[in-house]
Amino acid sequence: GDSVTQMEGPVTLSEEAFLTINCTYTATGYPSLFWYVQYPGEGLQLLLKATKADDKGSNKGFEATYRKETTSFHLEKGSVQVSDSAVYFCALSVGGYQKVTFGTGTKLQVIP
Amino acid sequence: EAGVVQSPRYKIIEKKQPVAFWCNPISGHNTLYWYLQNLGQGPELLIRYENEEAVDDSQLPKDRFSAERLKGVDSTLKIQPAELGDSAVYLCASSLGGSAGGMGTEAFFGQGTRLTVV
Repeated sequence: GDSVTQMEGPVTLSEEAFLTINCTYTATGYPSLFWYVQYPGEGLQLLLKATKADDKGSNKGFEATYRKETTSFHLEKGSVQVSDSAVYFCALSVGGYQKVTFGTGTKLQVIP
Repeated sequence: EAGVVQSPRYKIIEKKQPVAFWCNPISGHNTLYWYLQNLGQGPELLIRYENEEAVDDSQLPKDRFSAERLKGVDSTLKIQPAELGDSAVYLCASSLGGSAGGMGTEAFFGQGTRLTVV
């Protein structure tokens, strides 16, 4: 079946540090890949997505590149801010938005 | 435009009691999902509707859980009777479906209902 594996947290970084959150996947078909973010007290929000190999999704300074050869979709940001503190979920869906499979989430804490 | 609205935000009940959660999706979204999120875990799909039809309920524990979306708009998820292990956050999401959806279609999530069974 489909699955997503992401690095365990929590991840604690100082402000302006470089962020990488690893995500790898297995899928029975050709998936679309997503990063969702959950800020404290809020619902899940789509952060970025990519629908085919070598696509790069980007938003709010975050980037992730769909790597089919390594089945990965790592999330990166060059300089994190305190406001980026949240839980980040890697996810995939196969065949359009029919069922989204989520990873377990990675909590990011950015300290001043 | 309002997002996905869920109520209540929090619910505390005693075990063996019934509980119901309500969700109003974004207007025009004919696909509606209920997800379960345990502490420290990612959301897991319970049921997916296309309009009023439940097209994927394979993960819904049907002995105690039920859901309905009678007019293809808002939806109710019910647990009867609740067990201690049902304590979790219940998330509702909606998206464009059918011909309007497709690869990479975004789902929009509500804030969830946090259920505590004591």
